[in-house]
Amino acid sequence: GENVEQHPSTLSVQEGDSAVIKCTYSDSASNYFPWYKQELGKRPQLIIDIRSNVGEKKDQRIAVTLNKTAKHFSLHITETQPEDSAVYFCAATYTNSGFQKLVFGTGTRLLVSP
Amino acid sequence: EPEVTQTPSHQVTQMGQEVILRCVPISNHLYFYWYRQILGQKVEFLVSFYNNEISEKSEIFDDQFSVERPDGSNFTLKIRSTKLEDSAMYFCASSPSWGGEQFFGPGTRLTVL
Repeated sequence: GENVEQHPSTLSVQEGDSAVIKCTYSDSASNYFPWYKQELGKRPQLIIDIRSNVGEKKDQRIAVTLNKTAKHFSLHITETQPEDSAVYFCAATYTNSGFQKLVFGTGTRLLVSP
Repeated sequence: EPEVTQTPSHQVTQMGQEVILRCVPISNHLYFYWYRQILGQKVEFLVSFYNNEISEKSEIFDDQFSVERPDGSNFTLKIRSTKLEDSAMYFCASSPSWGGEQFFGPGTRLTVL
């Protein structure tokens, strides 16, 4: 079925440490994997995305890796800062009759302590 | 930078009442979506809309729900007879292309009493 699993549900790190959030998806046809950051009471904001023809993508302190064989993708944040504290959602596209939708993971609450 | 907008920001209604949530997608976008997020939970897909018709809907999107694009700018979600469990944040999103980045609106918090 359409499912995206995300781990861990909460992650506490010290400022400057790295944080890694992992997701798995079930549909081998999924081809687009965005990561959203959601601060309390606000809209999800896209922070990075990756397509299935790429194994890794980096944008400053944020990187995403994709393993299509294992149907895993991960978000890596280096040199974490207190302002990185938020809930992070991974998502994967599922295609039905030619139309795509995003299925979200359950979210990871990241807390970066100064 | 253009953004998706939604009104109202917060809607309080009595169980059984009809509500209409409004969205203005980014103007050159072609694909429109509604998502729901119950407090503390994940974002759930409700419906996608393209070329003036529903392209896909989830199990949540039952006969009580409908969507409309009444003019060239607005995109609405109607809940005909609200239930307590409809209380959630409702996000509208739009995308310029098939499979492309989805831009989310600020959400409408619906509280059903």
